Amino acid sequence: NAGVTQTPKFRILKIGQSMTLQCTQDMNHNYMYWYRQDPGMGLKLIYYSVGAGITDKGEVPNGYNVSRSTTEDFPLRLELAAPSQTSVYFCASSYGRGGPDTQYFGPGTRLTVL
Amino acid sequence: AQTVTQSQPEMSVQEAETVTLSCTYDTSESDYYLFWYKQPPSRQMILVIRQEAYKQQNATENRFSVNFQKAAKSFSLKISDSQLGDAAMYFCAYRSGGRSNSGGSNYKLTFGKGTLLTVNP
Repeated sequence: NAGVTQTPKFRILKIGQSMTLQCTQDMNHNYMYWYRQDPGMGLKLIYYSVGAGITDKGEVPNGYNVSRSTTEDFPLRLELAAPSQTSVYFCASSYGRGGPDTQYFGPGTRLTVL
Repeated sequence: AQTVTQSQPEMSVQEAETVTLSCTYDTSESDYYLFWYKQPPSRQMILVIRQEAYKQQNATENRFSVNFQKAAKSFSLKISDSQLGDAAMYFCAYRSGGRSNSGGSNYKLTFGKGTLLTVNP
């Protein structure tokens, strides 16, 4: 049981380039999330999904897109990368069945846009 | 909107001693959940402890315990017998207990800015 895995661990992009951050969970969780963490700050929600085929915006969705074609995978797409998107990106998942519904996090991807 | 405040940007403790990290939150809800996450230098976010607002008893996980004061909207984390491996950034987080539009759990997890804990040998 690997939990939540993310690839790549690090990436440097040039302004205007695009890339996809991959996220996979093997816990059969319904809910998946993408967060970004800027220096000295807590995490902010970018997008989330409550199940395959269903996604919605979080607090800071501009400049990103997501899709959820399977329960396991929730990729985050950055189009036309900008320096403001330099951050650490975390994927997380949870059951989504109520109660505490603890979110479990992946190891993060450090992205730098130059 | 809910807010989470961690008023201590940095704390330090001697190995084997006890330290308390503070967290306050602002909400008008009565049903919610509170969490402490640990983020070591590896960046992995690790759940330390969680508390259901409807429970009066403070949560405990081995050397980690909380002091949950619902009326004061305070949720502090106490680490006993501190170890070098406890050195990390600690985040307090809040989640509403209400249901989302889809009927599942409310998705939104609101984080504080974190407290950097140093453990001195």
